[in-house]
Amino acid sequence: DAKTTQPNSMESNEEEPVHLPCNHSTISGTDYIHWYRQLPSQGPEYVIHGLTSNVNNRMASLAIAEDRKSSTLILHRATLRDAAVYYCILRPGFSGGGADGLTFGKGTHLIIQP
Amino acid sequence: SQTIHQWPATLVQPVGSPLSLECTVEGTSNPNLYWYRQAAGRGLQLLFYSVGIGQISSEVPQNLSASRPQDRQFILSSKKLLLSDSGFYLCAWSVEGQGAQPQHFGDGTRLSIL
Repeated sequence: DAKTTQPNSMESNEEEPVHLPCNHSTISGTDYIHWYRQLPSQGPEYVIHGLTSNVNNRMASLAIAEDRKSSTLILHRATLRDAAVYYCILRPGFSGGGADGLTFGKGTHLIIQP
Repeated sequence: SQTIHQWPATLVQPVGSPLSLECTVEGTSNPNLYWYRQAAGRGLQLLFYSVGIGQISSEVPQNLSASRPQDRQFILSSKKLLLSDSGFYLCAWSVEGQGAQPQHFGDGTRLSIL
């Protein structure tokens, strides 16, 4: 799987927007960009994913650069419950006969200050 | 809606004892199923995945095994646990379609080996 690079940690204030960056300069044309988050002592939670166009859902927005070499997860109004480790993961768009699992890096530890 | 159940939530086992962790999915048919392990302070590691009944692929050689006796049931087993088997075990499911489909995780089982 292509590699992603994220900052180790970020800090934001409650009720402010948060922009979490991810670099994926070796992304292939068929790779999807997925974001998950993991709260302490819980399993990962799917947040959002996209291919080329920006995506919005009830949890967040995903802004994808035109060259697809980077993306940004946007939490529009952070709450204390958004404090978690956020993972940016690339997933091939088709099965190449190999493993179909997710490859989690170290992610970004998001700290929310009240 | 789809739900995933894992049990038990926590488990303490002596070295050399057997293990059986169960995962079931409701509300979908023929899901892809996955077992991951997260060691303390580390990222998730894919252990097994399955695309159908009786079809298991192993990603990491170890003393663990997996079985899928029914469409929406996935079991992780060991005949003799090692200290190194301690960790947070997570089951996940997805709809067939790899990169375009997110994975959804259960709440996990925290396994401690004494």
